[in-house]
Amino acid sequence: QVQLQESGPGLVKPSETLSLTCTVSGGSISSYYWSWIRQPPGKGLEWIGYIYYSGSTNYNPSLKSRVTISVDTSKNQFSLKLSSVTAADTAVYYCAGVEQWLVDYWGQGTLVTVSS
Amino acid sequence: EIVMTQSPATLSVSPGERATLSCRASQSVSSNLAWYQQKPGQAPRLLIYGASTRATGIPARFSGSGSGTEFTLTISSLQSEDFAVYYCQQYNNWPTFGQGTKVEIK
Repeated sequence: QVQLQESGPGLVKPSETLSLTCTVSGGSISSYYWSWIRQPPGKGLEWIGYIYYSGSTNYNPSLKSRVTISVDTSKNQFSLKLSSVTAADTAVYYCAGVEQWLVDYWGQGTLVTVSS
Repeated sequence: EIVMTQSPATLSVSPGERATLSCRASQSVSSNLAWYQQKPGQAPRLLIYGASTRATGIPARFSGSGSGTEFTLTISSLQSEDFAVYYCQQYNNWPTFGQGTKVEIK
């Protein structure tokens, strides 16, 4: 059974870069597309982007200028960087294992608050 | 971006009753529509994909229908564990989610 675990700072200052890492266990990182999805408090879900183990990526057009997703196959990890954050980027960030745009596996989620 | 609109925002239902949730797309998504269930403090769980196919392990009381722009999730007889928030997601283009329908105990 694939398990995902997010890690990274829970507090980021405005204008700085949010950085999160997701560790994949119980399965091969070459088996799925790996995504980041976020959920602002009390709101709906927003797909940030995805990466394949080969390194190919695709990002939400509305966030594309600020997002970088990378993969480290040797560590079975993939990462998210979101630059120039504002309070609107405060959310629970989920890492996810995706196949054909359907989320089969979710991390537990990590709350990132943007505040000075 | 395809906008997904769910209604109602909140649905109050008694245990054992039927619940019908709606999801509308701003343009056709064919049958590329999924439903997820989310309980407080948990990640969502995939229920339905392809508009009407239940995911592995999902009870038969959950059913989905529709195509194009209009979709429905029906829970035939609500169990206590079904009270949650339900999201639709289109994946015909860049994936987008609806804002959710909260199913609460009446």
